[in-house]
Amino acid sequence: GAGVSQSPSNKVTEKGKDVELRCDPISGHTALYWYRQRLGQGLEFLIYFQGNSAPDKSGLPSDRFSAERTGESVSTLTIQRTQQEDSAVYLCASSLRLGIGQNENTIYFGEGSWLTVV
Amino acid sequence: AQTVTQSQPEMSVQEAETVTLSCTYDTSESDYYLFWYKQPPSRQMILVIRQEAYKQQNATENRFSVNFQKAAKSFSLKISDSQLGDAAMYFCAYRSARRANSKLTFGKGITLSVRP
Repeated sequence: GAGVSQSPSNKVTEKGKDVELRCDPISGHTALYWYRQRLGQGLEFLIYFQGNSAPDKSGLPSDRFSAERTGESVSTLTIQRTQQEDSAVYLCASSLRLGIGQNENTIYFGEGSWLTVV
Repeated sequence: AQTVTQSQPEMSVQEAETVTLSCTYDTSESDYYLFWYKQPPSRQMILVIRQEAYKQQNATENRFSVNFQKAAKSFSLKISDSQLGDAAMYFCAYRSARRANSKLTFGKGITLSVRP
């Protein structure tokens, strides 16, 4: 696609429910990233995929959070038993495999999924 | 681990004037990339400008330019002829050139307002 696409754009869920957030990266981008942004805050790294494997999961805040990627394309971030502190915008980004070209150095973001846990 | 610091939470500039947003970072690496992203209320993260650490020349993109001081680990963004559409949150970010660690590390951001 032309850009990184995320769905849903907004999600309100009850505490304790599971949610799935979807990311469709730019076509041909092998690297995919998930970030979390709480209201008025900076971006917290969650997980990074290279192809379908995740060499860096260091940012996942608890075992309630998981992510997978299939076909070197779509990724799903799953939050189980949601808590109010999970309320945030979840941003997905993608890039070409890091290389020496300028375009390969840049990470492109989607518009995010705004999650509200009530 | 790399860290990025943006110590000014808010700044304001008069339309048509120039403003500089500060950013410092800490790393033990010699090869890396630095970025400024803009985030308007729509939440879309928009790349403003990027700088490769191996390049001594400061990057420029139209009204946007950087002052990259590698020894001081400083990477400030200058916006000239500020426009109302420049009002947004601005994030400074670091990316290692090592493929094994290619995520972006962000500062906390700065909210820029533009006065008409």
